[in-house]
Amino acid sequence: DAGVTQSPTHLIKTRGQHVTLRCSPISGHKSVSWYQQVLGQGPQFIFQYYEKEERGRGNFPDRFSARQFPNYSSELNVNALLLGDSALYLCASSLALRGLDGYTFGSGTRLTVV
Amino acid sequence: DAKTTQPNSMESNEEEPVHLPCNHSTISGTDYIHWYRQLPSQGPEYVIHGLTSNVNNRMASLAIAEDRKSSTLILHRATLRDAAVYYCIHMDSNYQLIWGAGTKLIIKP
Repeated sequence: DAGVTQSPTHLIKTRGQHVTLRCSPISGHKSVSWYQQVLGQGPQFIFQYYEKEERGRGNFPDRFSARQFPNYSSELNVNALLLGDSALYLCASSLALRGLDGYTFGSGTRLTVV
Repeated sequence: DAKTTQPNSMESNEEEPVHLPCNHSTISGTDYIHWYRQLPSQGPEYVIHGLTSNVNNRMASLAIAEDRKSSTLILHRATLRDAAVYYCIHMDSNYQLIWGAGTKLIIKP
């Protein structure tokens, strides 16, 4: 079975540009969460979507947005990129909203803003 | 917000047990404690979680103090493949994972 897949794996963008990151959850998982991980730190929660509705939002500016599609895949969009947006962006899926049985993470998208 | 505190790094010998401590003195009575680990260049991997009582699974054991102010992740027989950053995390009332900086576990052959 395929795990959580994220694309692209690496990306280089220029300040001010826009980026779209994609995530496909494990088959049957209805919850998708997005995290930002800066080098040397733990992941920080950005969004959670469950059954195509936003169910949680972390402390990130409005430049960050996301959505979940009917097939439960998800996109994370970041507008007006800043140098500080350079990070590993992780997607995690779970069967249920609460994720008590564990979230399954993808390998992430490494975004570099220059 | 409740937070967890872990040592920055720990070393252990291969084939020996490893005890990774975590302090979470401000955790609420209904917040679960989760442990994830992250190998180099990979996404985090779920290890174990618990609320009040000790838990065991095929990867590890989790010992939670009676007052719930601390917990210990136990790897019973560490291998080189267990070298990773281990995160002790609490799940808040909105079911979101609140991560700290983690403990880098170094396994010596």
